[in-house]
Amino acid sequence: DVKVTQSSRYLVKRTGEKVFLECVQDMDHENMFWYRQDPGLGLRLIYFSYDVKMKEKGDIPEGYSVSREKKERFSLILESASTNQTSMYLCASSYGLSGQGYGYTFGSGTRLTVV
Amino acid sequence: QKEVEQNSGPLSVPEGAIASLNCTYSDRVSQSFFWYRQYSGKSPELIMSIYSNGDKEDGRFTAQLNKASQYVSLLIRDSQPSDSATYLCAVKPGGSYIPTFGRGTSLIVHP
Repeated sequence: DVKVTQSSRYLVKRTGEKVFLECVQDMDHENMFWYRQDPGLGLRLIYFSYDVKMKEKGDIPEGYSVSREKKERFSLILESASTNQTSMYLCASSYGLSGQGYGYTFGSGTRLTVV
Repeated sequence: QKEVEQNSGPLSVPEGAIASLNCTYSDRVSQSFFWYRQYSGKSPELIMSIYSNGDKEDGRFTAQLNKASQYVSLLIRDSQPSDSATYLCAVKPGGSYIPTFGRGTSLIVHP
C-alpha cells in the first residue's frame, strides 16, 4: 500500500521557534508538495519540488522554506513560527512529469498550533 | 486567475439516493480532473480521475466531464452515511505540476 508519512500528527510550538515538518513517501514519486488548509480558505500551496534539490514557490511561501535532499523526503521549515501559521499542514506526492494526469497521494496531515 | 468553483453546501441527501456534486472551472486548457474525498479532521483521498469527455464509472461513483461547458461532476449512487464528507474538485492544465483545487462541497447523507 502506497504511503506518504508525516512525522507528527499534532504539534504545539511557541512563537519564534524554528519548526521542522517532515514528509516521507515510499512510492518513488518525483513530485512532492506542501499545502496548508484553513477553514474557508481551502488548500493553499506553500512549496513544491519536482526533483531532488529542486524547489519552487507556491502561492504562500513567505515565512517558510523547504529542503529535498533525497527523493523520498521533503521537509517544510517554519523559520520563526508565528500564531498565523497555526494550521493543518498537508504533504502530498505525485508521479510523473508535468502534463501527465496523475493525482496526489496525501499524508495524514500535521495539525500545528503556535502559541 | 484560474478558478475552480464548487457549491460549499452542505448538500443533504437521504440514504440510498443519488448525490450529485458539481464543479466548474475557468481554464480552458485544463486536461486532468480529479475528485478527492475528505472526512472531517482527515486528509484528502483521491477517489476519481477523468481526462476525456463523457462518463467514467468506478463502483458507486461516476465522474462526468464536459469540456465544452467547463464542468465536471461526481455522482454517488446508493449514498451511504459513510459517504458524508467534503468532496474536493481539482483541475490540472496540461504542462503543469499543480492542480487548482476548489474549496469543496460538504455532503451529508442522513439515514
